[in-house]
Amino acid sequence: QKEVEQNSGPLSVPEGAIASLNCTYSDRGSQSFFWYRQYSGKSPELIMSIYSNGDKEDGRFTAQLNKASQYVSLLIRDSQPSDSATYLCAVNKDTGNQFYFGTGTSLTVIP
Amino acid sequence: NAGVTQTPKFQVLKTGQSMTLQCAQDMNHNSMYWYRQDPGMGLRLIYYSASEGTTDKGEVPNGYNVSRLNKREFSLRLESAAPSQTSVYFCASSGYLLYEQYFGPGTRLTVT
Repeated sequence: QKEVEQNSGPLSVPEGAIASLNCTYSDRGSQSFFWYRQYSGKSPELIMSIYSNGDKEDGRFTAQLNKASQYVSLLIRDSQPSDSATYLCAVNKDTGNQFYFGTGTSLTVIP
Repeated sequence: NAGVTQTPKFQVLKTGQSMTLQCAQDMNHNSMYWYRQDPGMGLRLIYYSASEGTTDKGEVPNGYNVSRLNKREFSLRLESAAPSQTSVYFCASSGYLLYEQYFGPGTRLTVT
């Protein structure tokens, strides 16, 4: 079983819609959760971090964490063509430095 | 601030050759990381350094060595390159407690 699983997509949404990206993780002891955006040929860029159950909002982005269900999601409101990228979910298993990444979900926002 | 820098950007090696990938950060971060990214496999942690003077294995350490030269610099060495090490290599750093990682631009390595 993979440590972190994401639907690889591709996910297509029209401009202005809400894009919903999902991630599950296998280790209940995981403490910290991150979403990164990666444009083709570029390095991952941190979008959101979340450490406790519930929602965390930052601009058009909302991260949601449900530790009981071992589920993390990212909502992108008012999606823009510039949001078209691969979104990576990352999990830190304990308070150390072991990180696990999902394989990413490819998002395309159609103008 | 340059953030995280990596050299070289591209490299082609023959099987059996050695090379060192360099990484430096100017954010005064304690922790540094080396990842490889392969199609369909995602980012996988090779080695990390929680603080200056310490290094630990990640998920895929075989065939690699690392050196935390000082707080700013963390290098990755391939002693005898193999075609299976063809990949894009990313260095990252993070501060203490929050573990938010910031990535360098990457090195695209091809081993023939």
